[in-house]
Amino acid sequence: TQLLEQSPQFLSIQEGENLTVYCNSSSVFSSLQWYRQEPGEGPVLLVTVVTGGEVKKLKRLTFQFGDARKDSSLHITAAQPGDTGLYLCAGYTGFQKLVFGTGTRLLVSP
Amino acid sequence: DAGITQSPRHKVTETGTPVTLRCHQTENHRYMYWYRQDPGHGLRLIHYSYGVKDTDKGEVSDGYSVSRSKTEDFLLTLESATSSQTSVYFCAISETGTDFQETQYFGPGTRLLVL
Repeated sequence: TQLLEQSPQFLSIQEGENLTVYCNSSSVFSSLQWYRQEPGEGPVLLVTVVTGGEVKKLKRLTFQFGDARKDSSLHITAAQPGDTGLYLCAGYTGFQKLVFGTGTRLLVSP
Repeated sequence: DAGITQSPRHKVTETGTPVTLRCHQTENHRYMYWYRQDPGHGLRLIHYSYGVKDTDKGEVSDGYSVSRSKTEDFLLTLESATSSQTSVYFCAISETGTDFQETQYFGPGTRLLVL
């Protein structure tokens, strides 16, 4: 059972455009994380959001946790080719067990 | 870099043969995980370990077994490989930071093809 659904599944944009990736669930999570994965490598953690309504910024990336802690979004401002990769949201369902979303593949062309 | 290595990095095998993948860590982490990654599914947890000889099942454990006889090594075994087990397998460790938030660090992955 996939608890976390991401949309869109694939996004192809030009450098300089803005974009938003969504991560939705019917379940409540104690915290939610976003990872980025590049080809041939394992995922790398970008951010953890803990409090409902929390907003965190990482340079041009803005992460938001929904008020009810069931959903999250990732917004990228002025995307660059270096942002290309697979973005995964993930939430903890129990002690030390992480559930991953379906993934959003982003391609930013120069 | 959490000192995680996986071996082999690539493997081609035939249906029905046993396969063992190895995950090795150098920093004495207690928690270790095996995931598989398939298009459209993100990563799915196969098994995890919370100490030597302490393991438990994840979401997609059927057809897989694990063993952890020492802290640094976590082995994943496909007893009789099937084509549905063709996937990329990732090992991970879990670390709790000073903010009490957990971070998982992943190995480089093993690409397995079952013919």
